[in-house]
Amino acid sequence: DAGVTQSPTHLIKTRGQHVTLRCSPISGHKSVSWYQQVLGQGPQFIFQYYEKEERGRGNFPDRFSARQFPNYSSELNVNALLLGDSALYLCASSLEVDDNYGYTFGSGTRLTVV
Amino acid sequence: AQSVTQPDIHITVSEGASLELRCNYSYGATPYLFWYVQSPGQGLQLLLKYFSGDTLVQGIKGFEAEFKRSQSSFNLRKPSVHWSDAAEYFCAVGGRFSGGYNKLIFGAGTRLAVHP
Repeated sequence: DAGVTQSPTHLIKTRGQHVTLRCSPISGHKSVSWYQQVLGQGPQFIFQYYEKEERGRGNFPDRFSARQFPNYSSELNVNALLLGDSALYLCASSLEVDDNYGYTFGSGTRLTVV
Repeated sequence: AQSVTQPDIHITVSEGASLELRCNYSYGATPYLFWYVQSPGQGLQLLLKYFSGDTLVQGIKGFEAEFKRSQSSFNLRKPSVHWSDAAEYFCAVGGRFSGGYNKLIFGAGTRLAVHP
């Protein structure tokens, strides 16, 4: 079975640009969460989506947005990129919204803003 | 506020030596506790998790962790380290937050180096 897949694996953007990151959860998993991991730090929670609705949001500016599609895949969008947005963006899927037992992470998208 | 502290930023051990990585948490209710491992440039792999029951939890790759409520700790141990264990290790606490969503709160990580 395929795990959590994220695309692209790497990308380089210029300050002020917009970026879209994609995530496909494990088959049957309905919840997708996004995390940002800045170099040298632990991952920080950005969003949780379940059944196409935002269920939770971390302490990130409105430049960050996301959505979940009927097939449970998800996109993370970041507008007006800043140098500080350079990070590894991780997607995690779980079976249900309150499934504390079964987070599975993808390999991430490495975003570099120059 | 909920938080996770990993006091050791870097640890170096010799191959074959025992290992203990420390983790302290702050969480108001019964915590769900996790240890993840991350190799360079990779995502997070779950080593083990605790949510109830026996306070000594066995995980993959020969790792175990012990939950001590009185000390708010969840330390990770391995009796004999292999060179392939060199990686970054993250402790995390999970739970339900107001608004009906769940998230993981991670510590800053401990980078493990293994000498031959």
